[in-house]
Amino acid sequence: GQNIDQPTEMTATEGAIVQINCTYQTSGFNGLFWYQQHAGEAPTFLSYNVLDGLEEKGRFSSFLSRSKGYSYLLLKELQMTDSASYLCAVMDSNYQLIWGAGTKLIIKP
Amino acid sequence: DAGVTQSPTHLIKTRGQQVTLRCSPKSGHDTVSWYQQALGQGPQFIFQYYEEEERQRGNFPDRFSGHQFPNYSSELNVNALLLGDSALYLCASSFSGQGASNQPQHFGDGTRLSIL
Repeated sequence: GQNIDQPTEMTATEGAIVQINCTYQTSGFNGLFWYQQHAGEAPTFLSYNVLDGLEEKGRFSSFLSRSKGYSYLLLKELQMTDSASYLCAVMDSNYQLIWGAGTKLIIKP
Repeated sequence: DAGVTQSPTHLIKTRGQQVTLRCSPKSGHDTVSWYQQALGQGPQFIFQYYEEEERQRGNFPDRFSGHQFPNYSSELNVNALLLGDSALYLCASSFSGQGASNQPQHFGDGTRLSIL
């Protein structure tokens, strides 16, 4: 079967750095996406990785290792508004997105 | 440039009823995917429509059906509603042309469906 694993919840401090991990087992791989979802809102796109390595976008970076079936999302200089769920999704061989359950990130002052 | 729009935003139904949810994709997008998201869970893929045909389907019963119109908008129909169908229903649009595999899906704000 296909499986995406993420921690259920993480807590971090405003101004700090946090890393959210995602491991996956899917039928084929055509890229990995990270989305942010605030409570009661739709997911919004953060990043896409298809090749191994680090993609940096401002305060957010995403890393991929295809051989290990592993990705992480790195958030720097945390702000209170970064409190949200972070969803990892993998596009399988049928170009279908397989979603993790999301990691709820709580930012404390 | 309008993003993905969904209607209605909220809906309350009773068991056994039928419901139709609507979605207009982002301008330039030709593919619509529907997801069901229960509280505290990630989105679960229902199906995807492209060129007015169901292209892929997730593990949902036949009570869930859909349609795509020539203008790329889409409907999700659910028959014989069950209490367990209470969820946020998300529509996401994307482009299926060349180089589309790395294009993110753009989500609407969803329809929150409550079954009493």
